[in-house]
Amino acid sequence: TQLLEQSPQFLSIQEGENLTVYCNSSSVFSSLQWYRQEPGEGPVLLVTVVTGGEVKKLKRLTFQFGDARKDSSLHITAAQTGDTGLYLCAGGGAGNMLTFGGGTRLMVKP
Amino acid sequence: GAVVSQHPSRVICKSGTSVKIECRSLDFQATTMFWYRQFPKKSLMLMATSNEGSKATYEQGVEKDKFLINHASLTLSTLTVTSAHPEDSSFYICSARDWLRAGAKNIQYFGAGTRLSVL
Repeated sequence: TQLLEQSPQFLSIQEGENLTVYCNSSSVFSSLQWYRQEPGEGPVLLVTVVTGGEVKKLKRLTFQFGDARKDSSLHITAAQTGDTGLYLCAGGGAGNMLTFGGGTRLMVKP
Repeated sequence: GAVVSQHPSRVICKSGTSVKIECRSLDFQATTMFWYRQFPKKSLMLMATSNEGSKATYEQGVEKDKFLINHASLTLSTLTVTSAHPEDSSFYICSARDWLRAGAKNIQYFGAGTRLSVL
């Protein structure tokens, strides 16, 4: 069974601060997705990384896939209140399925 | 990105009744759809994989007679919660794969979810 450990579980910061969310596993994934979910809504795809060592940037968000494709990180620069939400990493494996991390609940205070 | 529509967004029902939730891929064909359950402040828990034209594959611990899944077309999967009880109250989310756009990347596009409250 593939498991993804996501940390921290909860993060409360002030607007303007930087933060990093981590997603770790002992398993290798063919791809790694990051989603953001707001209360009462479904997850929205932010990015997909597929190559070991890959780095993708989406405005103030930087995503990195580990060289061995077992871990990933999401770094947010100068967080804004609109970044508040639940961030989920998900690893793609066999059978078209995704393995989800436990989620990181981010609250950015003004 | 691909659009997945889920309906209804919220449903309140009496204990013992059945509730049907629909999941539609609006601008692509989805041979595979997924049904998840999410508890408050928790991550998504996969319930079952819905395959067009065949039986769904249920995860361990999920009662197939309780949660009936039908995937009769390439754009529609339904989840029916039969004889619902208060413990079935939860947030149910569907997702779909767009093979043409996602390829081997295992990307899933999610519906907005259905909040089920059983009284």
